[in-house]
Amino acid sequence: LAKTTQPISMDSYEGQEVNITCSHNNIATNDYITWYQQFPSQGPRFIIQGYKTKVTNEVASLFIPADRKSSTLSLPRVSLSDTAVYYCLVGGSGGYNKLIFGAGTRLAVHP
Amino acid sequence: NAGVTQTPKFQVLKTGQSMTLQCAQDMNHEYMSWYRQDPGMGLRLIHYSVGAGITDQGEVPNGYNVSRSTTEDFPLRLLSAAPSQTSVYFCASSYSGTDQETQYFGPGTRLLVL
Repeated sequence: LAKTTQPISMDSYEGQEVNITCSHNNIATNDYITWYQQFPSQGPRFIIQGYKTKVTNEVASLFIPADRKSSTLSLPRVSLSDTAVYYCLVGGSGGYNKLIFGAGTRLAVHP
Repeated sequence: NAGVTQTPKFQVLKTGQSMTLQCAQDMNHEYMSWYRQDPGMGLRLIHYSVGAGITDQGEVPNGYNVSRSTTEDFPLRLLSAAPSQTSVYFCASSYSGTDQETQYFGPGTRLLVL
């Protein structure tokens, strides 16, 4: 199983861009990189998924370098409502239950 | 479309009591699963089901039972509650269960075992 490492916590201010980096040195060839967001007292919610290069949606961007050993979730112009825990998961390849939700990165956005 | 719903939202049990946590989804998803989340930690898989009549164990199955008689419902039973089962329980579903797919999570059930 590909293990991921991400910062335990981060602080930011409203309007800033936040980049959360996740390292996954043992990522397999067919693995995807997926990020989930969890607000307090709620279940996790899918944010974005990618395999290589860059993926962008209405919520975030995901940057994946050529070696795929790391990835960066970018949240543009954060607001207080972006305060949450962000999980980086690596897996896929058509299998089941290979995704591991680690402790995630606790992002606090300040006024 | 309600998505994934869970009841109750909060429950207090005494050690040794039994209870069932309910989970339902209206997205016609084949795959459903139960996770527990302890304070400051990630989610750990308890049991999962890839379709009606089919269940299997996850990472931490001891003390929990599941069954899947319909596509929509996936209840989690605690046979004899223990303080170590104090946690927040999340139910999730996805179309067929492969890890590439988006999982949809319910709002969670907070369980306190005294």
